[in-house]
Amino acid sequence: GQQVMQIPQYQHVQEGEDFTTYCNSSTTLSNIQWYKQRPGGHPVFLIQLVKSGEVKKQKRLTFQFGEAKKNSSLHITATQTTDVGTYFCAGHTGGFKTIFGAGTRLFVKA
Amino acid sequence: GAGVSQSPSNKVTEKGKDVELRCDPISGHTALYWYRQSLGQGLEFLIYFQGNSAPDKSGLPSDRFSAERTGGSVSTLTIQRTQQEDSAVYLCASSLEELNTEAFFGQGTRLTVV
Repeated sequence: GQQVMQIPQYQHVQEGEDFTTYCNSSTTLSNIQWYKQRPGGHPVFLIQLVKSGEVKKQKRLTFQFGEAKKNSSLHITATQTTDVGTYFCAGHTGGFKTIFGAGTRLFVKA
Repeated sequence: GAGVSQSPSNKVTEKGKDVELRCDPISGHTALYWYRQSLGQGLEFLIYFQGNSAPDKSGLPSDRFSAERTGGSVSTLTIQRTQQEDSAVYLCASSLEELNTEAFFGQGTRLTVV
């Protein structure tokens, strides 16, 4: 079936280091969404990208949508302990159903 | 309601018993999803309801799992003859039936099978 693959599964960083998670689809995506789940919480929407090659920033977070609309990335500059959590990408491949990646769990050591 | 509501928030059940988990989506949201999340793991898709269409049940792990959505609103996920491996957080999400809208998650039901 349709899948959205996300890597890495886990990432340990020292506070202040950068972090990137990648999302890949075998088929063209209509859009890509990113969510953050804090420990003990539920996923919360961060942002949506729609256009080919689109780049959006939220403070230290940079989101990119690939030119072919098959991949996306989330980059965090100078991580902080508040960035801890699991980051999920999610996309639509033409239908209405949202397909979630498995998530990347970020650990930040102070 | 203001958000997606799930009940109960916690459920402890004995192995072999049946359980029902409830999800109240945001009013007007026609798409509803159930996911399962084991401790420290990602989201495992279970089932997807979209309006009046037949649900996408492709993620249900066994025939012990079933779900209904009555009147296009409230949904119930039923697990029959629960097993210890069913222990997880069950998350419900809803969204408008359009592409460029976000999914809103409930707080989840933490199921523990003892």
